Amino acid sequence: LAKTTQPISMDSYEGQEVNITCSHNNIATNDYITWYQQFPSQGPRFIIQGYKTKVTNEVASLFIPADRKSSTLSLPRVSLSDTAVYYCLVGASGGSYIPTFGRGTSLIVHP
Amino acid sequence: EAGVAQSPRYKIIEKRQSVAFWCNPISGHATLYWYQQILGQGPKLLIQFQNNGVVDDSQLPKDRFSAERLKGVDSTLKIQPAKLEDSAVYLCASSLVFPGSYNEQFFGPGTRLTVL
Repeated sequence: LAKTTQPISMDSYEGQEVNITCSHNNIATNDYITWYQQFPSQGPRFIIQGYKTKVTNEVASLFIPADRKSSTLSLPRVSLSDTAVYYCLVGASGGSYIPTFGRGTSLIVHP
Repeated sequence: EAGVAQSPRYKIIEKRQSVAFWCNPISGHATLYWYQQILGQGPKLLIQFQNNGVVDDSQLPKDRFSAERLKGVDSTLKIQPAKLEDSAVYLCASSLVFPGSYNEQFFGPGTRLTVL
């Protein structure tokens, strides 16, 4: 299983762009990169997933360099409601995928 | 579409007692996961089912924890006997299985267990 490393915490202010980087040096060829968001007292929620280059949805963008050994979750113009813990997961698709959450990155957005 | 249902939402027991949690996944989701999340940590996978078969239970403390998914739909997780260190939130999640694509997990609200 690919091990991931993320910053423990980050601080930002409303309206700023936030970039959270995840390192996954031993990512395998068929592994996807997925990010989840977790608010207090709730289960994690899927944000975005990608395999290579750039993926964008209505919530975030995911940048993956050619070597795929890291990835960056980009949150544009954060608000107070983006205060949460963000998890980076790496793994293959299909029923045999065993998801592994690390400690995640605690993002605090200040007014 | 209804989400993943879990009950109870909260449970307080004394050590050495038994407790059971219930999960009903999203209809049609073949894969079901049970996680343990201790305060300040990420969710730790305890057991993963695909239909009614176990895909992985390598992190399940089998001397005290058990889980079943008899008909491939809802599932129960049991702890017997509970220890103080079992105090945590127990999360259930489910996902579809599409070969060749990522399986987004949908999480329930969790059960907060306090062992005194």
